[in-house]
Amino acid sequence: KQEVTQIPAALSVPEGENLVLNCSFTDSAIYNLQWFRQDPGKGLTSLLLIQSSQREQTSGRLNASLDKSSGRSTLYIAASQPGDSATYLCAVVNSGYSTLTFGKGTMLLVSP
Amino acid sequence: DAGVTQSPTHLIKTRGQQVTLRCSPKSGHDTVSWYQQALGQGPQFIFQYYEEEERQRGNFPDRFSGHQFPNYSSELNVNALLLGDSALYLCATNGRGSRSTQYFGPGTRLTVL
Repeated sequence: KQEVTQIPAALSVPEGENLVLNCSFTDSAIYNLQWFRQDPGKGLTSLLLIQSSQREQTSGRLNASLDKSSGRSTLYIAASQPGDSATYLCAVVNSGYSTLTFGKGTMLLVSP
Repeated sequence: DAGVTQSPTHLIKTRGQQVTLRCSPKSGHDTVSWYQQALGQGPQFIFQYYEEEERQRGNFPDRFSGHQFPNYSSELNVNALLLGDSALYLCATNGRGSRSTQYFGPGTRLTVL
């Protein structure tokens, strides 16, 4: 059974800092890995999708890497802003049916 | 292009009642998955519908059932509600194949009293 762990559970940083969120998974036979953002009480917004054959993906100030063999992914956020405050969720797809297995998330607070 | 929509936004029920939640997929998407997110937890997979049939199911009791219509929209039904069913229910849709991005709706907040 796939298990996804995210570290740290919560993170508080001052504006402008670069930061790294970590995600690990127990079964390396994944199809892809996806990072999501969730604002309080809201739905999920997809940030980055990394296919199993890829090593990283970039979108603006966000960069996600994937090391499938070691079961790890990192989300790097450059020059953090207060608007980045949210919960960040990592999820993997194991089967051909695209169902996601999620971690519990990292709650990020960026202070002005 | 409308994204994934869900209704209602919020719902309050009492124990033992039944509830129906609705989801309309993003244009061009034919696969609908439902997730339950308890407070402070990551979403948990309930089931997935494709071509009007339940294709895959997570570890949820039979009280949770669903349906997909010919226009790809979907319903989630929960019978005999328990206090523990209180959660945010999320619908996610995607196009064919396991390599496509999943798009989530805003969710339905269900409170069971």
